[in-house]
This record gives sequence, structure tokens and C-alpha cells, in this order.
Amino acid sequence: GAVVSQHPSRVICKSGTSVKIECRSLDFQATTMFWYRQFPKQSLMLMATSNEGSKATYEQGVEKDKFLINHASLTLSTLTVTSAHPEDSSFYICSALAGQVLRETQYFGPGTRLLVL
Amino acid sequence: GIQVEQSPPDLILQEGANSTLRCNFSDSVNNLQWFHQNPWGQLINLFYIPSGTKQNGRLSATTVATERYSLLYISSSQTTDSGVYFCAVVPGNTGKLIFGQGTTLQVKP
Repeated sequence: GAVVSQHPSRVICKSGTSVKIECRSLDFQATTMFWYRQFPKQSLMLMATSNEGSKATYEQGVEKDKFLINHASLTLSTLTVTSAHPEDSSFYICSALAGQVLRETQYFGPGTRLLVL
Repeated sequence: GIQVEQSPPDLILQEGANSTLRCNFSDSVNNLQWFHQNPWGQLINLFYIPSGTKQNGRLSATTVATERYSLLYISSSQTTDSGVYFCAVVPGNTGKLIFGQGTTLQVKP
């Protein structure tokens, strides 16, 4: 149980285009999902917290108009990188906080590698 | 904000050796998790351990919350144990995981 998927796993795009990344909890309902960013050989940095049916909460320094987050259902959150530029190239990882018994353990998706040319 | 420090930053072991990874945190926490990030980037949950001791096969972990540290023990290491080990804590009730910088482990055959 507690499986989180992400799609796509890898994306290459041209500068100026927008990229959407999906995060799904496959076998549980996630009231809260988180989006992280990881640069090579660095740790994970929290970008935003996404609650189903409400606006995302962004961490300091993260541009909300640049990184659009939608949490339309209890099993799906999406991150859209708008007008992507080379400096947005990174590894994006989502996690989901399960309700009830598993509520205090976050489960992570496999990540999405974004390369902006 | 809370600081999470992991040591050592890098570790090279011969297959079969044992090791101890440490995680210090600067404030009280409700949750603490250990993860292994494999070479493909997938984060694998190892332990959810806000306090006490747990064991899972060759791995075990101990958290002493009152002294603000946690230890991850790897016994009889294997090459498949290579990767980055992260400690992450949740201060308060935010659910937000704050990650340490990780320990990069390389196990040589």
C-alpha cells in the first residue's frame, strides 16, 4: 500500500513552454500533498503544500505564478511550471500525506526530471 | 527555523562492513523519518521513528528525542545499500518535512 506515482518521469522542453507534472496517490486518499525540488547533489527543498480543494501554500522564495499547483481531488495534485527557463531544470518530487492510520508518514513519488533547453 | 544536520556527509564502505549515520536536529519534533534515495532518485521510506528504536532486517534506527538526535545503523552492508540517506523531521503539526543534507554512502564490492 501507500503508492504514489508521478507523470511524466522525464521531460525535455524548450525555453518558454509550460510543463505539467501529475502526482497521484494510487491506493489511498491524500488530503495533503507536497511538492519538492532537488538540484544535483543537494537535498530536497519544500516548494509548496497542497490541500485538496484549497489554494496551495508556497514556501518563501517560491513564485506562485511560476509554479502553479492544483489539488482537484483527494488522489491528484498537479504542478505546472509556466514559461520554463533553463534555471527551472531540476528534479521535482511530490509526496502525499495519508489520512487516518498512515497520517503521519509521507510517501514519495518517483520524481520528474525536467530539462529546459 | 529548525536545523537538521547529518553526519558524515560521505561514507565509503567495503561490502560486509557496518556503519552508523547520525542526524541532529535543533528543536523538538513530532515526526522523524529516514529515507534512502536510490540512484534513480526514488525516495524509499526506511523508518518512521519520532522516538525509540526500530529494526528492519539489516537496518535499525534509534531516536532520542530529548537529546535531539537519531541514528541509523546499517549492518553487513551490501552494494545495493549505496545511495543517499536522508533524515527528515516535522516541526510542530505542519506536516512539512525538513530534510537534512544527506549522507552519501558508497559500498564497494
